[in-house]
Amino acid sequence: GNSVTQMEGPVTLSEEAFLTINCTYTATGYPSLFWYVQYPGEGLQLLLKATKADDKGSNKGFEATYRKETTSFHLEKGSVQVSDSAVYFCALKTGANNLFFGTGTRLTVIP
Amino acid sequence: DAGITQSPRHKVTETGTPVTLRCHQTENHRYMYWYRQDPGHGLRLIHYSYGVKDTDKGEVSDGYSVSRSKTEDFLLTLESATSSQTSVYFCAIRSLASTDTQYFGPGTRLTVL
Repeated sequence: GNSVTQMEGPVTLSEEAFLTINCTYTATGYPSLFWYVQYPGEGLQLLLKATKADDKGSNKGFEATYRKETTSFHLEKGSVQVSDSAVYFCALKTGANNLFFGTGTRLTVIP
Repeated sequence: DAGITQSPRHKVTETGTPVTLRCHQTENHRYMYWYRQDPGHGLRLIHYSYGVKDTDKGEVSDGYSVSRSKTEDFLLTLESATSSQTSVYFCAIRSLASTDTQYFGPGTRLTVL
């Protein structure tokens, strides 16, 4: 079956620290992989995606590389800001219509 | 935001009452989805639609029904609400430009007492 496992939070970092949020997946076929971000009181926004092995998705200083050999899609950012405080969701999509989400990781960045 | 609105944004209701949530989109997207978001579960698909009058079940469809009588509106109905349906409900559409990408509405917070 399809599933996504995310590192549990919450994660608290100081401003300008390096961020890694781990995500591993199990999937049938060749999934597309996504990171979504949810700011307080809002819906989910697509942050970045990768559709095949070794692709790197990037946006707003965040990046993640599709690693088929380790079935991983870890999210990284070199220097976080207070405005990055949010909940981050890893997700996958195979040939079906729905997305399979991880449970989310809450990030808090303190000044 | 792909022109997605949800109504109501917040609702409190009592066990056993019917509830309908509405998702409205303005960009003629064919595919629309309803998810629920619960702590420890992420988002889970309830139902989706692939056209007017064309719908199918998702992972957690029990206790929910949907209807799509026109392209722009996708309705989610709880025929008899239960406390286990207290959740945040998100509507999503499938991107026209990239079919593996979905965009989400702002959500409806539903509390069933």
